[in-house]
Amino acid sequence: AQSVSQHNHHVILSEAASLELGCNYSYGGTVNLFWYVQYPGQHLQLLLKYFSGDPLVKGIKGFEAEFIKSKFSFNLRKPSVQWSDTAEYFCAVLRSGGYNKLIFGAGTRLAVHP
Amino acid sequence: DVKVTQSSRYLVKRTGEKVFLECVQDMDHENMFWYRQDPGLGLRLIYFSYDVKMKEKGDIPEGYSVSREKKERFSLILESASTNQTSMYLCASRVSGANVLTFGAGSRLTVL
Repeated sequence: AQSVSQHNHHVILSEAASLELGCNYSYGGTVNLFWYVQYPGQHLQLLLKYFSGDPLVKGIKGFEAEFIKSKFSFNLRKPSVQWSDTAEYFCAVLRSGGYNKLIFGAGTRLAVHP
Repeated sequence: DVKVTQSSRYLVKRTGEKVFLECVQDMDHENMFWYRQDPGLGLRLIYFSYDVKMKEKGDIPEGYSVSREKKERFSLILESASTNQTSMYLCASRVSGANVLTFGAGSRLTVL
């Protein structure tokens, strides 16, 4: 089945540690890729997106993600996390054509300890 | 900023009750969506609407229906609530042809 996979459901880090959250998708063809973040008690909000061009995209709050087409991956990275990065992170894929439905991964809960 | 407002943040209902979840957006967006969010499952699309009076089934429409009588309002209806519909429900909207969704704060429904 076509899907979006996030490899880690829970990640615990100390402040200043580096972060990488994996995301793989199984769709062929042209896709748009997203990372959304949900801070405790807040709305789901867009962290960054990739539509075309440079496969390394930078988002808000020092996050970046790299699209590797050959690996069907769009991993999220941050060199040094902060306590305020504690949140749930969702990878999402939009397939071009048709009704442009956004398909989400299962999410990764990140806890950053001071 | 676009605002997507879900009128009820927390609801508790009994099995068999009819439940209405309301969503209103204030930026004249054509497309609106209802997702449910469950731990370990992420967000799953229930229904979406591309314009007034238009609706399409998402990936998990069973047990739900929707209504889009006005452009700004998209309602999710549980005709007869069941305990397995206990979840967080998220509404989202976007301009037609755009790729970025704006989400509401969510409605947490508990069915007893």
